[in-house]
Amino acid sequence: QVQLLESGGGVVQPGGSLRLSCEGSGFTFSGYSMHWVRQAPGKGLEWVTVVSFEGVVKYYGDSVRGRFTSSKDNFSNMVYLEMNNLRPEDTGVYYCVREYTINNWFFENWGQGTLVTVSS
Amino acid sequence: EIVMTQSPATLSVSPGERATFSCRASQSVSTKLAWYQQKPGQAPRLLIYGASTRATGVPDRFSGSGSGTEFTLTISSLQSDDFGVYYCQQHNAWPLTFGGGTQVDIK
Repeated sequence: QVQLLESGGGVVQPGGSLRLSCEGSGFTFSGYSMHWVRQAPGKGLEWVTVVSFEGVVKYYGDSVRGRFTSSKDNFSNMVYLEMNNLRPEDTGVYYCVREYTINNWFFENWGQGTLVTVSS
Repeated sequence: EIVMTQSPATLSVSPGERATFSCRASQSVSTKLAWYQQKPGQAPRLLIYGASTRATGVPDRFSGSGSGTEFTLTISSLQSDDFGVYYCQQHNAWPLTFGGGTQVDIK
């Protein structure tokens, strides 16, 4: 079955950097775009970024564009989120999610989430 | 950016009653609208996509309708396990956007 396992969360100071990782298994990783969705404590869901199946095309939400970079390694079945210049409002649980099928950008498969805390 | 607005913010429903949630898009998303249920401490669960198609394993008491800018999620007979927060998400255009959620409490 499809599994997504995130890692890399932790506590970081404002202005700092963090790299999240997500390993996918149970499906043909190279055939799917991968997304990151986050959720601030007690708040709703916010889409962050997508990286296309081949790792070339990327889109970002307005609040992270220019600070976050997503990437995909189809050889190791990994997707990454490089987060720079972190702000307190970036605090939350970050979920790695797989698109339902190609070009269907809704999400049946979610990771367990990794918590990022930006605080001094 | 397409803004998704959900109402009401909170819904308190007795088991067996009908529950109806609304989601409005700031511009047309055709039928590219998904619904999720999220329980505390869990990742969201996909319920509906394409505005009206139930995801795998979703009970038929859940139904979705609408197109363009107005959408509805209906639970025909609420069960005690249906508590949680329900979110809509448009999957028509970048950036993908979610509504703010409707919290369902069981009376």
